[in-house]
Amino acid sequence: AQKITQTQPGMFVQEKEAVTLDCTYDTSDQSYGLFWYKQPSSGEMIFLIYQGSYDEQNATEGRYSLNFQKARKSANLVISASQLGDSAMYFCAMRGAWDTGTASKLTFGTGTRLQVTL
Amino acid sequence: NAGVMQNPRHLVRRRGQEARLRCSPMKGHSHVYWYRQLPEEGLKFMVYLQKENIIDESGMPKERFSAEFPKEGPSILRIQQVVRGDSAAYFCASSPFTTDTQYFGPGTRLTVL
Repeated sequence: AQKITQTQPGMFVQEKEAVTLDCTYDTSDQSYGLFWYKQPSSGEMIFLIYQGSYDEQNATEGRYSLNFQKARKSANLVISASQLGDSAMYFCAMRGAWDTGTASKLTFGTGTRLQVTL
Repeated sequence: NAGVMQNPRHLVRRRGQEARLRCSPMKGHSHVYWYRQLPEEGLKFMVYLQKENIIDESGMPKERFSAEFPKEGPSILRIQQVVRGDSAAYFCASSPFTTDTQYFGPGTRLTVL
């Protein structure tokens, strides 16, 4: 079974600063994928970034980067130069492998609420 | 370049009524997934469908819930005889292939009175 743990229920960061949102995962699958999604107060789920378990380099998408440490089973999201519009809930999620029947379903963590302040 | 469409965005039902939630995937996507989000929680997988086929329904409650994705038209999540505990946000996602990134719709907020 897959499990995602997000231990920070809430975080504050000042505008223009960088912030790291923690995510650890547990799986016995050899192949898996890790995702981060943003959920603003309006409620939609916005895809931010993806890291495959065999990707050797950390994923980056604009101001978002994923700090992937496979041995530690962590996939932290780093947001650089925070903006007021970054205030939202952030969810870490993972999918498993085909041979374990978990490739088609995402397992989500409980989320971290990020508040960007002036 | 429309994204995943869901309707209605908000749905109010009284206990015992039926709820029908619709999802149109992104153009070119043939894989549809439904998730449920209870207040202050993460999303929980319910069901994965391809056209005319239910592939994985391991997250669906055994009773009252059903899903379909017909050859023509949107995917439908149907909840019969709703109860207060069904109040939640229901999200649909789609992807071009199974292991690709899932893109989510705006969700349907179901309130059961």
